[in-house]
Amino acid sequence: DIQLTQSPSFLSASVGDRVTITCRASQDIYNYLAWYQQKPGKAPKLLIYSASTLQSGVPSRFSGSGSGTEFTLTISSLQPDDFATYYCQQLNSYPPITFGQGTRLEIK
Amino acid sequence: QVQLQESGSGVVKPSQTLSLTCAVSGGPITSDYYSWSWIRQPPGKGLEWIGHIYHTGSIYYNPSLKSRVSISVDKSNNQFSLKLSSVTAADTAVYYCARVGLWFGELNWFDPWGQGTLVTVSS
Repeated sequence: DIQLTQSPSFLSASVGDRVTITCRASQDIYNYLAWYQQKPGKAPKLLIYSASTLQSGVPSRFSGSGSGTEFTLTISSLQPDDFATYYCQQLNSYPPITFGQGTRLEIK
Repeated sequence: QVQLQESGSGVVKPSQTLSLTCAVSGGPITSDYYSWSWIRQPPGKGLEWIGHIYHTGSIYYNPSLKSRVSISVDKSNNQFSLKLSSVTAADTAVYYCARVGLWFGELNWFDPWGQGTLVTVSS
């Protein structure tokens, strides 16, 4: 199985901050990586796929980069609506499709 | 736009079988551009992929659940289903269904997701 490790697991930041979340894969997954945002009591929402493609309707302050085993999700200027938990997901090698453990982003 | 809605038993007794259905509206389940997946999330924990199915009938299961899980597609009703047998308290979770986007046959993303349904295993 391909393991995905997100760092940090918890992040405290302020509105307007630039934040970066890293996802490291245990093996090369090329660019088969997606990022999701989940708010309490809600289903995950797709933000980024193919490592760097912004899903339609997602604000441009979100961006993704990376390939191989190291990937990043960047929020250029945090907005109040962005405080949530973020997950990465690999779709290159399955079964199983795997998710990172999540990064919880909270207001400082 | 496409919407997914889970339904099924909210409480299941230990050792029994969990059964859920995901109704797809706004688009055909028979599209060659998508497959259909189940994912679960125990309370306060992360996401676990259960499996996915193509309308052709090809299925992939999580090896950790493979001996207990079955996913099927019902083209006539535009829905797909999940059965998980011999459940224990560890199977208590919110269960989500999702559409899986394909690009040249490769999996690309999960979108949209259903709202999720909490299944509690309890006697």
